[in-house]
Amino acid sequence: KQEVTQIPAALSVPEGENLVLNCSFTDSAIYNLQWFRQDPGKGLTSLLLIQSSQREQTSGRLNASLDKSSGRSTLYIAASQPGDSATYLCAVSQGGSEKLVFGKGTKLTVNP
Amino acid sequence: GAVVSQHPSRVICKSGTSVKIECRSLDFQATTMFWYRQFPKQSLMLMATSNEGSKATYEQGVEKDKFLINHASLTLSTLTVTSAHPEDSSFYICSARVAGITDTQYFGPGTRLTVL
Repeated sequence: KQEVTQIPAALSVPEGENLVLNCSFTDSAIYNLQWFRQDPGKGLTSLLLIQSSQREQTSGRLNASLDKSSGRSTLYIAASQPGDSATYLCAVSQGGSEKLVFGKGTKLTVNP
Repeated sequence: GAVVSQHPSRVICKSGTSVKIECRSLDFQATTMFWYRQFPKQSLMLMATSNEGSKATYEQGVEKDKFLINHASLTLSTLTVTSAHPEDSSFYICSARVAGITDTQYFGPGTRLTVL
């Protein structure tokens, strides 16, 4: 059974700092991995999707990497801003399945 | 594009009553919709996969008679929580997959259910 773990559970940083969020998964036979953002009491916004054959994806100040063999992904946020404050969720899908397995998320607070 | 809405956004009901939550894809056709439940500080847990015109597929441990799912059209799926109990209080989120594109699920804003 696939399990997704995110570390740390919460992170507080000053504005402008670069930061890394971590995600690990137990079964390396994944189809893809996604990073989402969730604001309090809201739904999910997809940030980046990495196919199993890819090593990384970039969008603006965000860069996500994937090391499938070791079961790890990182989300790098450059020059953090208060507007980046949210919970960041990592989710993986298995080959042949549309199901997403989510981690519990990392709650990020960027202080002005 | 690819907007998913949910209604209501919040609902409070008495124990023993039934509550219906709607999930709509506003600008695309969704052959598949997914229903998730999220408890405070917990992961989103997939409850069921809903395919248009067919019965939903429920995850292990989810009671199909308690959580009724109907996917009557390519833009609408409903989740009915029957005989609700306080332990059903949770955040329910739906997502929709664009027909023909398997990678991406678009998520609704969620529905906060509180059962008194």
